Amino acid sequence: DQQVKQNSPSLSVQEGRISILNCDYTNSMFDYFLWYKKYPAEGPTFLISISSIKDKNEDGRFTVFLNKSAKHLSLHIVPSQPGDSAVYFCAARSNDYKLSFGAGTTVTVRA
Amino acid sequence: NAGVMQNPRHLVRRRGQEARLRCSPMKGHSHVYWYRQLPEEGLKFMVYLQKENIIDESGMPKERFSAEFPKEGPSILRIQQVVRGDSAAYFCASSPPGGSQETQYFGPGTRLLVL
Repeated sequence: DQQVKQNSPSLSVQEGRISILNCDYTNSMFDYFLWYKKYPAEGPTFLISISSIKDKNEDGRFTVFLNKSAKHLSLHIVPSQPGDSAVYFCAARSNDYKLSFGAGTTVTVRA
Repeated sequence: NAGVMQNPRHLVRRRGQEARLRCSPMKGHSHVYWYRQLPEEGLKFMVYLQKENIIDESGMPKERFSAEFPKEGPSILRIQQVVRGDSAAYFCASSPPGGSQETQYFGPGTRLLVL
């Protein structure tokens, strides 16, 4: 059962523009959400997180938005840079340690 | 300040052999988690360990898989009598002793290929 879904397997964006990555979840018990970035042959690197008591968290070029009623979150990257080309995973957990991951979205930033 | 270390990075085994994957958590971290990523899928939780204790192994297959985190040394994920379906990337993560809800930091993974 896939509790975290990233329905767009890939995204291509022009350098300097905004990248918007989407994530949907089904488990209403999830209370903490994270985004990880992964380069080929490396492990996921923590990017940004948000607690369910918030609807927005910003860190530099990265902003995560949470819409609890829609069970939806998104990651905005602006401006997109070539180094942002990677696979982005959405993850969630429910008051414990088990992270449930989406299948990932591959972002390609075009020069 | 070294991050989470995993070795080997790549492992090739024939069906029926044993695979041993090692993970050294970040310095000061006492919680270790193992995840498996099958092709085209996200990471799936396998097991959560603290020193000398398995806290939760609900994501581990019931047979052939075992994990340990001894008092000294790295955490080991052991797969006995490997089958082709075990081919995957295995990631270890660690978190600080502040609690299991701390952010998990991942190692580079071990890519297991079963021939």
